[in-house]
Amino acid sequence: QQQVKQSPQSLIVQKGGISIINCAYENTAFDYFPWYQQFPGKGPALLIAIRPDVSEKKEGRFTISFNKSAKQFSLHIMDSQPGDSATYFCAARITSSNYKLTFGKGTLLTVNP
Amino acid sequence: DAGVIQSPRHEVTEMGQEVTLRCKPISGHDYLFWYRQTMMRGLELLIYFNNNVPIDDSGMPEDRFSAKMPNASFSTLKIQPSEPRDSAVYFCASSPTLGGNTEAFFGQGTRLTVV
Repeated sequence: QQQVKQSPQSLIVQKGGISIINCAYENTAFDYFPWYQQFPGKGPALLIAIRPDVSEKKEGRFTISFNKSAKQFSLHIMDSQPGDSATYFCAARITSSNYKLTFGKGTLLTVNP
Repeated sequence: DAGVIQSPRHEVTEMGQEVTLRCKPISGHDYLFWYRQTMMRGLELLIYFNNNVPIDDSGMPEDRFSAKMPNASFSTLKIQPSEPRDSAVYFCASSPTLGGNTEAFFGQGTRLTVV
């Protein structure tokens, strides 16, 4: 059972454009939703995270939008740059029970110059 | 701190051989996780430890897989005997104990190829 579904699998965006990656979850007990960025040959690194008590969180060009009723959250990358080309993973966790992160399958983002 | 350190970075072995992957977590982190990454299945949690004690090993695929954490600064993931379908990138990650949002810091991974 895949508890966090991520789409699209791959995304190509022109430099300066907006990249949007979507995730949907099933378990309403999830209460922490991070996004990880992974460059080739490297491990995933935390990019930005949100809790369900807010609908949006912004850090620089990166924004998470959260829709609790729809059980969906998305990552928006404004003014996308070639250096943003990487694989992005959404994840979810129940903080009260354990530290186990459930990951989406990832989105390969390519930003063309 | 140098971050989470994994070794080796690459491992090529023959089917049936024993493989041992190693991890040094960030000093002071209480949680250690082993993940496996493949194109088909993405990132899967295999096992995690809290204060050197295995908490959840439900992701370990078979008895051929075992993990240990003899002390706070070292963990191993062993596959014996290895099979071609074990080929993947294996990540170790560690987390501190914090209230609220807790970040998992990943190592650079070990790319395992079983031929």
